Amino acid sequence: SAVISQKPSRDICQRGTSLTIQCQVDSQVTMMFWYRQQPGQSLTLIATANQGSEATYESGFVIDKFPISRPNLTFSTLTVSNMSPEDSSIYLCSVSTVDYNEQFFGPGTRLTVL
Amino acid sequence: RKEVEQDPGPFNVPEGATVAFNCTYSNSASQSFFWYRQDCRKEPKLLMSVYSSGNEDGRFTAQLNRASQYISLLIRDSKLSDSATYLCVVNRGNTPLVFGKGTRLSVIA
Repeated sequence: SAVISQKPSRDICQRGTSLTIQCQVDSQVTMMFWYRQQPGQSLTLIATANQGSEATYESGFVIDKFPISRPNLTFSTLTVSNMSPEDSSIYLCSVSTVDYNEQFFGPGTRLTVL
Repeated sequence: RKEVEQDPGPFNVPEGATVAFNCTYSNSASQSFFWYRQDCRKEPKLLMSVYSSGNEDGRFTAQLNRASQYISLLIRDSKLSDSATYLCVVNRGNTPLVFGKGTRLSVIA
């Protein structure tokens, strides 16, 4: 299994600002993802963070709003840009085995936008 | 139609009860299946994999019916500590896992 840490664990932000969330894994992993979980909803995949190249975004998510960096195999950041109250959610970093047969999640970042 | 659909819940059951959760998936090419557990304000964690032959882990039994594209989870002798949201999860083989919305279980003393 992988041990994943995220920073910050929670934040309260003003609309129009940006927040960068960090994800650190205790081992090198190929597959790394960012999810969003809004209150009472399921996990929604935002993007796959690719090491050394641009992230692969899911339908409905764009790089300008959610820029992602992946400088190496143990670290990634997700920025939530120009925030609005609709961005209030839990953001989770996740890593997977190469066959996708098991995914591990970080503890999440709870974001509230006022 | 969502790719993974689950019972809406919540399920409120007394301690010691048996409770069953159902899940259907729409993509017939899905390759493997799982139940994840998510405690309140925590991240999801793998509970168990689901095999066509059915598999059991203590009080938990998972079943898969590929023909009907149906997955189930049975919890026997419910404990207070079983209270959580149970997520039905599907692996399509070449993409990240697809998560159902989850079914919330509350076990009451």
